[in-house]
Amino acid sequence: GAGVSQSPSNKVTEKGKDVELRCDPISGHTALYWYRQSLGQGLEFLIYFQGNSAPDKSGLPSDRFSAERTGGSVSTLTIQRTQQEDSAVYLCASSLGGTWDTQYFGPGTRLTVL
Amino acid sequence: AQSVTQLDSQVPVFEEAPVELRCNYSSSVSVYLFWYVQYPNQGLQLLLKYLSGSTLVESINGFEAEFNKSQTSFHLRKPSVHISDTAEYFCAVSEWNTDKLIFGTGTRLQVFP
Repeated sequence: GAGVSQSPSNKVTEKGKDVELRCDPISGHTALYWYRQSLGQGLEFLIYFQGNSAPDKSGLPSDRFSAERTGGSVSTLTIQRTQQEDSAVYLCASSLGGTWDTQYFGPGTRLTVL
Repeated sequence: AQSVTQLDSQVPVFEEAPVELRCNYSSSVSVYLFWYVQYPNQGLQLLLKYLSGSTLVESINGFEAEFNKSQTSFHLRKPSVHISDTAEYFCAVSEWNTDKLIFGTGTRLQVFP
């Protein structure tokens, strides 16, 4: 079946612009996660959605970052007024339930802020 | 707060040699432990995980990891590596009462012929 998909695969933007990154999770998965992977760093947790519960936003690095999940499925990560330090690969993952479940990762969106 | 340490950023090894990738975690409560792997030009995928029960867990491609509570470790081992094992390996931990999966910084395993 279809896995987690993300779009775009690559995004180049100018400093100060807003960007939107999209994630389509595996159908039926109630949990959705966003991570950021920077060169030489591990995966940095950003935000977690579980069903209809309020998302865990504790990993968002600043108020320029926000995310929403519509209809319990597709999610959009928005970065406003991008900065060069936002350049990274943004990964989305979904799972059937809680963090004990296997997370299935998308291919990521590589964001480059010039 | 939970954290994960992967001390080795890179591990070069020759084919058919044994390998150990180290992972230590910090937590004051029960944890779930994972190893994820990222092959070149591919997405992250689960290699193996420990939830409960037997402290030794195995993957289908010959890797194994042992949960050591007293040493707060979850090292990954393989007795004989293949070229195809070349990848980046990430250790991750989740505390049982949280929704977060915390990843280490990764270890790049490079297998040479």
